[in-house]
Amino acid sequence: QVQLVQSGAEVKKPGSSVKVSCKASGGTFRNYSVTWVRQAPGQGLEWMGRFIPFLNIANYAQNFQGRVTITADTSTSTAYMELSSLRSDDTAVYYCAREGFHWLVMSGHGGFDFWGQGTPVTVSS
Amino acid sequence: DIQMTQSPSSLSASVGDRVTITCRASQGITNSLAWYQHKPGQVPNLLIYDASTLQSGVPSRFSGSGSGTDFTLSISSLQPEDVATYYCQKYDRAPYTFGLGTKLEIK
Repeated sequence: QVQLVQSGAEVKKPGSSVKVSCKASGGTFRNYSVTWVRQAPGQGLEWMGRFIPFLNIANYAQNFQGRVTITADTSTSTAYMELSSLRSDDTAVYYCAREGFHWLVMSGHGGFDFWGQGTPVTVSS
Repeated sequence: DIQMTQSPSSLSASVGDRVTITCRASQGITNSLAWYQHKPGQVPNLLIYDASTLQSGVPSRFSGSGSGTDFTLSISSLQPEDVATYYCQKYDRAPYTFGLGTKLEIK
């Protein structure tokens, strides 16, 4: 069974950066994209971007362009999301999730079938 | 970027009712659409992918339909445990935008 385990809660100052990790177990990490989604208090789900280990490329949402960097280390099956220039409205729970499309056999779907437990990030002075 | 519009934003129904939530894409996305259930304090749960395929383990009272720009999520007989916020999400190409959500409550 696939499991995604995220790093722990963070408290950051405005203007600083945060880096959240997401370690996968079960399944073949390299063959699936890892996506990052956040939910601010009282708000909906917001897609931030994804990393495709098989192609070694990242896609980002326009809202986060220039502030977010998503990477992955296939040797440790771990994905990372770094968000810089933090503001108070970046306070949210950040989730990683696996996309159900298998890049090696080019089959599957783009829904997010396995999720990490979420990492609360608080930005406060 | 393609926008995803969900309606209604909130919904109150009785146990046993049939419930329908709609999602409209601002441009065609073929059938590249997923539905999620998100309960407070829990992780989002994939219900439907490819617009109409039920994810393994999801109760059969959930169903999805649509293609192109118009999609629906239906619950055939609402149960108390279905109280949650439901989101549609497109994945034809990045960005993988979510709808704003539909909060479902029991009357």
